[in-house]
Amino acid sequence: DAKTTQPTSMDCAEGRAANLPCNHSTISGNEYVYWYRQIHSQGPQYIIHGLKNNETNEMASLIITEDRKSSTLILPHATLRDTAVYYCIVRVLQTGANNLFFGTGTRLTVIP
Amino acid sequence: DGGITQSPKYLFRKEGQNVTLSCEQNLNHDAMYWYRQDPGQGLRLIYYSQIVNDFQKGDIAEGYSVSREKKESFPLTVTSAQKNPTAFYLCASSYRENKAFFGQGTRLTVV
Repeated sequence: DAKTTQPTSMDCAEGRAANLPCNHSTISGNEYVYWYRQIHSQGPQYIIHGLKNNETNEMASLIITEDRKSSTLILPHATLRDTAVYYCIVRVLQTGANNLFFGTGTRLTVIP
Repeated sequence: DGGITQSPKYLFRKEGQNVTLSCEQNLNHDAMYWYRQDPGQGLRLIYYSQIVNDFQKGDIAEGYSVSREKKESFPLTVTSAQKNPTAFYLCASSYRENKAFFGQGTRLTVV
């Protein structure tokens, strides 16, 4: 599986957009980009995933570059409750068990 | 409600004792996983199971054992062979698309 590189930490002002980058330069053609987040002492929560096209849901937007070597998760209006560790994962889409490699993620702190 | 449940939330163990962490899901998911998380660290895979009666070692399986006798259940036993068992343990399940659902975790402390 392609591995990912994320900044260790980021700050964002409350109400502003939080843009979290992820590099996955070795991603292969059939690997999807997934984002999860983990609020302190809880289980990770799925946010969004995509293959090539940009994706948007009620939680966030995912922008994937044309060469697919990097992506950005966008939280359009960050709130204090968005303070969490955000994990970027690349995986092949297939049924069954997969080794979801989480890495250390980006610790996002939303500042009042 | 459908979901994945871990119990207990907090667990204390004396050195040299085995302890079993429970993980149950009613999402009809085929795949289930166990992860370990240490303070300030990411998740590390201990074991995963693709189907009933089948499971595979992850990156840090030594000192742990699992069983998958039922689709809904994937208990993890932390044995006395695990030298540093104090950690936060997370169970997850998934069906298609790798959208994994996680339990709320069990915090194990060796006293």
